[in-house]
Amino acid sequence: DAKTTQPPSMDCAEGRAANLPCNHSTISGNEYVYWYRQIHSQGPQYIIHGLKNNETNEMASLIITEDRKSSTLILPHATLRDTAVYYCIVRVAGGNQGGKLIFGQGTELSVKP
Amino acid sequence: GAVVSQHPSWVICKSGTSVKIECRSLDFQATTMFWYRQFPKQSLMLMATSNEGSKATYEQGVEKDKFLINHASLTLSTLTVTSAHPEDSSFYICSARLVSGELFFGEGSRLTVL
Repeated sequence: DAKTTQPPSMDCAEGRAANLPCNHSTISGNEYVYWYRQIHSQGPQYIIHGLKNNETNEMASLIITEDRKSSTLILPHATLRDTAVYYCIVRVAGGNQGGKLIFGQGTELSVKP
Repeated sequence: GAVVSQHPSWVICKSGTSVKIECRSLDFQATTMFWYRQFPKQSLMLMATSNEGSKATYEQGVEKDKFLINHASLTLSTLTVTSAHPEDSSFYICSARLVSGELFFGEGSRLTVL
């Protein structure tokens, strides 16, 4: 079973920031938080991941709470092309011991003009 | 990011026939690949872990004799759906793991069994 819970759906206005929450209260010390997204009828696309520090890349920012029990993915300026299902996943990472990805239901983000 | 390619992108077959789906890592070697299936409006469900040179590890409830997985090289894993039936119609997706541990996904293969 997935170890994360996310709201099933969210709306966001184009050009505004999209903040997607995720709860992972049972996360272990060696598990990372990963975010992927899936645009309709395509394979999942990697967005970002982190352990305990906040992370930022060209796609998004990841804010992880100090107790690591929840996190938020931030898309700073959402566009219509960001409409997708976003999955938050906890996983042991690193080398050949990296664990498999178990997907939950995700959040369906709809960006509206 | 790394490129993972699946072939075919979509396939239609008759009930009772077998269908093979390929998953290739194009610019890296992958000792481990994963196979998922996804029904409409549902999330991805992990079917099995494919390890190069050894037998695949199947998730609970997945029939290993029906979904044959072969990982004969460091860049290719295949999933064969044997004696396919309409209920096997689904979106099949593979992912490949880099040495660093990162995972990248293929574009998916849509199977329709008539």
